[in-house]
Amino acid sequence: SQQGEEDPQALSIQEGENATMNCSYKTSINNLQWYRQNSGRGLVHLILIRSNEREKHSGRLRVTLDTSKKSSSLLITASRAADTASYFCATDGRGTGGFKTIFGAGTRLFVKA
Amino acid sequence: SQTIHQWPATLVQPVGSPLSLECTVEGTSNPNLYWYRQAAGRGLQLLFYSVGIGQISSEVPQNLSASRPQDRQFILSSKKLLLSDSGFYLCAWSGSGGYNEQFFGPGTRLTVL
Repeated sequence: SQQGEEDPQALSIQEGENATMNCSYKTSINNLQWYRQNSGRGLVHLILIRSNEREKHSGRLRVTLDTSKKSSSLLITASRAADTASYFCATDGRGTGGFKTIFGAGTRLFVKA
Repeated sequence: SQTIHQWPATLVQPVGSPLSLECTVEGTSNPNLYWYRQAAGRGLQLLFYSVGIGQISSEVPQNLSASRPQDRQFILSSKKLLLSDSGFYLCAWSGSGGYNEQFFGPGTRLTVL
């Protein structure tokens, strides 16, 4: 089965630095999404990139998608302490009816003030 | 605007006791509904999803069951809890048709002793 796998598992940076998280998956996708989760809370949708898109921006977030390598990256520029959270990629694959979103294990980001 | 509610927020139950977690959505109709479980520091495991009243798809054989008695109500149940049922349970909804972003509830922290 397909699954997004994030890399690194954990990342610690200083406030103001950029944070890059990567996601790899196994099978063809229709779209890939990134979510954020603060500790003990529900997930919040950040951005969705479709399989025919290569790059997407939203505020300080930049997502890239390389379908030939089956990988995506999430870049957070000029990080802030409030960006401390876990970040998950999620994929919807062809043949699943669009209802099965598979989440990776996540990257835990810690931004030090 | 749409909102999603989950309760209770935390629950401590003895092994062998029954379970009922409820999730309701407001402000939308005919949503797709999902139940996930998240182990500590891990990603999300899809347990059940539903595309309509009375329609439940199970992803993982287990000690749990789900029901959708009304369009915007999704219930997760167990007749006898196991220690391994402990975890963080998240309900989510998305627009009908699949391939849409999901909106998560605040989660229920279940501890089985």
